[in-house]
Amino acid sequence: EVQLVESGGGLVQPGGSLRLSCAASGFTFSSYWMSWVRQAPGKGLEWVANIKQDGSEKYYVDSVKGRFTISRDNAKNSLYLQMNSLRAEDTAVYYCARVREGDDAFDIWGQGTMVTVSS
Amino acid sequence: QSALTQPASVSGSPGQSITISCTGTSSDVGGYNYVSWYQQHPGKAPKLMIYDVSNRPSGVSNRFSGSKSGNTASLTISGLQAEDEADYYCSSYTSSSTLIVFGGGTKLTVL
Repeated sequence: EVQLVESGGGLVQPGGSLRLSCAASGFTFSSYWMSWVRQAPGKGLEWVANIKQDGSEKYYVDSVKGRFTISRDNAKNSLYLQMNSLRAEDTAVYYCARVREGDDAFDIWGQGTMVTVSS
Repeated sequence: QSALTQPASVSGSPGQSITISCTGTSSDVGGYNYVSWYQQHPGKAPKLMIYDVSNRPSGVSNRFSGSKSGNTASLTISGLQAEDEADYYCSSYTSSSTLIVFGGGTKLTVL
């Protein structure tokens, strides 16, 4: 079964850091671009970051540039999101998503992990 | 404010058809055939329903169809069913510094 499972969310104070992980199974992880997409409580979806199959290209939404880092370990079939200098507006459910081959659609999603930034 | 504009809500009765619009610019929806649509039920992860404007992934009902005209994409759901009640989001590739943009979402109510 093709599956993505996120972990690492929790409560963190403003200015703090958190590292999210996403474990992939059921497909050849190293063959796909991967993404993080977030959803603030009661709000819509927001793309956060993308990473190429070999990690050589990374893209970020402007609001997280310089604070978040996307990475992957193809040997461990895992995707990561290192989040530093967290702000209240980063509070959201963070989804790991697979990018469909040949375009920018997200064809497989994890169940999400909640990140709450609050003092 | 989302980059792509969707109506906040639409509704329809079982068996009817509804259309959800997604309006962008020539830098996103109008400039590329990379428009996708997602269905999200409360408390669940989004599910891909349409990719590349009008293509359905395997397993998605043919009651769902997509199209595009100029800077506006549309999702049409025919033969509405109770289980179609959900939030729907469009997305598009964009040539701006933000690689991918989403619409604000549309809540579909099946009356």
